[in-house]
Amino acid sequence: DTAVSQTPKYLVTQMGNDKSIKCEQNLGHDTMYWYKQDSKKFLKIMFSYNNKELIINETVPNRFSPKSPDKAHLNLHINSLELGDSAVYFCASSQMGAREGYTFGSGTRLTVV
Amino acid sequence: TQLLEQSPQFLSIQEGENLTVYCNSSSVFSSLQWYRQEPGEGPVLLVTVVTGGEVKKLKRLTFQFGDARKDSSLHITAAQPGDTGLYLCAGAGGAQKLVFGQGTRLTINP
Repeated sequence: DTAVSQTPKYLVTQMGNDKSIKCEQNLGHDTMYWYKQDSKKFLKIMFSYNNKELIINETVPNRFSPKSPDKAHLNLHINSLELGDSAVYFCASSQMGAREGYTFGSGTRLTVV
Repeated sequence: TQLLEQSPQFLSIQEGENLTVYCNSSSVFSSLQWYRQEPGEGPVLLVTVVTGGEVKKLKRLTFQFGDARKDSSLHITAAQPGDTGLYLCAGAGGAQKLVFGQGTRLTINP
């Protein structure tokens, strides 16, 4: 039973398209995150939601819009995709903030051509 | 801005050898975590250390949190090919977010 599941696993799309990535967690955690991992494997936070409320919004282009319909789901919509958006996007969840660690999904590899 | 520097970035050793990976910062963290990531998968939490000077052991892996809570180390004894992977340290600072180091790619050769 997958704890944090993301779909799709792979996404190949053309520049200028709009795409969404979905994430669901069944751990009962109250906080969910989106991280971007670049080609050098560096993980950088993009957004965080706590009980459906946005609490972290790092310097991310406004083409990226997260949505949390409930505390078990956090989706990421990307408008007007650019070549530089190509990366692996990870969803994660935690209980009571970052101190006790995250549970990550298996990632979505986005390739913009 | 909180930054974590991991060293070395790449390490390739023979099976049976010992190794240490370092994670350093000028910032203080409320906790320091180590993750391991396999290709095509997300990072998996190995350990969390929260008290300055704390040492935790996980079989052949020993994790230490610096006294000032600014740095940490991961020591592996008698490395095995199954230890191969990307090891990431991450610090919990403010605002409920984790700051990650750039990772150490470890290869254990049979």
